[in-house]
Amino acid sequence: DAGVIQSPRHEVTEMGQEVTLRCKPISGHDYLFWYRQTMMRGLELLIYFNNNVPIDDSGMPEDRFSAKMPNASFSTLKIQPSEPRDSAVYFCASSSRGTNEKLFFGSGTQLSVL
Amino acid sequence: SQKIEQNSEALNIQEGKTATLTCNYTNYSPAYLQWYRQDPGRGPVFLLLIRENEKEKRKERLKVTFDTTLKQSLFHITASQPADSATYLCALDFLTGANNLFFGTGTRLTVIP
Repeated sequence: DAGVIQSPRHEVTEMGQEVTLRCKPISGHDYLFWYRQTMMRGLELLIYFNNNVPIDDSGMPEDRFSAKMPNASFSTLKIQPSEPRDSAVYFCASSSRGTNEKLFFGSGTQLSVL
Repeated sequence: SQKIEQNSEALNIQEGKTATLTCNYTNYSPAYLQWYRQDPGRGPVFLLLIRENEKEKRKERLKVTFDTTLKQSLFHITASQPADSATYLCALDFLTGANNLFFGTGTRLTVIP
């Protein structure tokens, strides 16, 4: 398996623009997580899905953030409109049994909002 | 609220020595505690998981201990090598059903040849 695949690796955009981050989890994993990493706050959970259903989105900072998982092999995280404070690295991770076993992380998307 | 502290932001050690990294937490003890390695520009990679009823776990040169009385986990790398240089993150799962792993901010380890 190729592991968790995220795209793009880097995204530079201007304030106010829409940004869409993509993730393909490992086949057979029922859980998908979106994390954000910053120097100040470290890794923070934004939202997670179980069997394509959003379970907990309490970490999503504002209504500007939305996430979807239309099928078991694809998820998106959208920011609209983007702001400079959204600049961070966004990681997608998947696991077969949730957080009581290991998570497999993608390589992340480095987002810069100017 | 729960706080997770990793002993230092950066740790430098000589090749061949044992590196010891600390993860302290407040309030409630987690049901599971995980350690991850993160290299620059990459996502975290799972290393070890230890449960609250386990005192110690080993994998090759890695050892993790978990002391619920001290509210602390220690992560050891024996016979350290320059290739072990990376940031190491501890992550706690409180088994609330929320599937939320709480991560520490990490310790950046540099092994000097």
